[in-house]
Amino acid sequence: EIVLTQSPDTLSLSPGERATLSCRASQSIDNTYLAWYQQKPGQAPRLLIYSAYNRATGIPDRFSGSGSGTDFTLTISIVEPEDFAVYYCQQFGGSPPSFTFGPGTKVEIK
Amino acid sequence: EVQLVESGGGLVKPGGSLRLSCAASGFTFSDVWMNWVRQGPGKGLEWVGRIRRSVDGGTTEYAAPVKGRFTISRDDSNTMVYLQMNSLKAEDTAVYYCVTDFSRAYFGSWGQGTLVTVSS
Repeated sequence: EIVLTQSPDTLSLSPGERATLSCRASQSIDNTYLAWYQQKPGQAPRLLIYSAYNRATGIPDRFSGSGSGTDFTLTISIVEPEDFAVYYCQQFGGSPPSFTFGPGTKVEIK
Repeated sequence: EVQLVESGGGLVKPGGSLRLSCAASGFTFSDVWMNWVRQGPGKGLEWVGRIRRSVDGGTTEYAAPVKGRFTISRDDSNTMVYLQMNSLKAEDTAVYYCVTDFSRAYFGSWGQGTLVTVSS
């Protein structure tokens, strides 16, 4: 099973700053089956990025994804007040197919 | 607009059973694979299992921790998906989300979740 680790655990930023979140896989992820989700307190997660760099419908272009193989990055170019949340990466793969999530990175107001 | 509404959560004793329901609307339900994802209190996300479309055989896949204890089913005529949970353990305590498939590898739309607490 592929294990995902995320860093940092917590990112303290002020609105207007740039956020860089990392997701590392224990082995290479086939076909860049890597997604990012945002979860705010008391809410369900929301799909932000899929296939490593494709934005989901309605996601602002300040969110971008990059990476391949074992190292992936979510970047928020200019953090807005509504972006403070927990961000999870997720991969799909293996035989039988399975899904795993990273432990999450909390983006908090500095 | 996609709507997913879970119900059936509650308090159950270890070893007990519970069935969760998810009412879907706003999309062509029979065309979509469906998932259950859970989140333990203060914890991260964990995929539970999924069910394919009926035209794809309606087959299911499960995560290792629940395989053999949980069963997912669907009723396309009533646009419902179910999660039957047997032999429940304390570690099954979580909010359970009903989630649509997205491109067979991701999770698209999420319900608001229903809380299952396994405790004596």
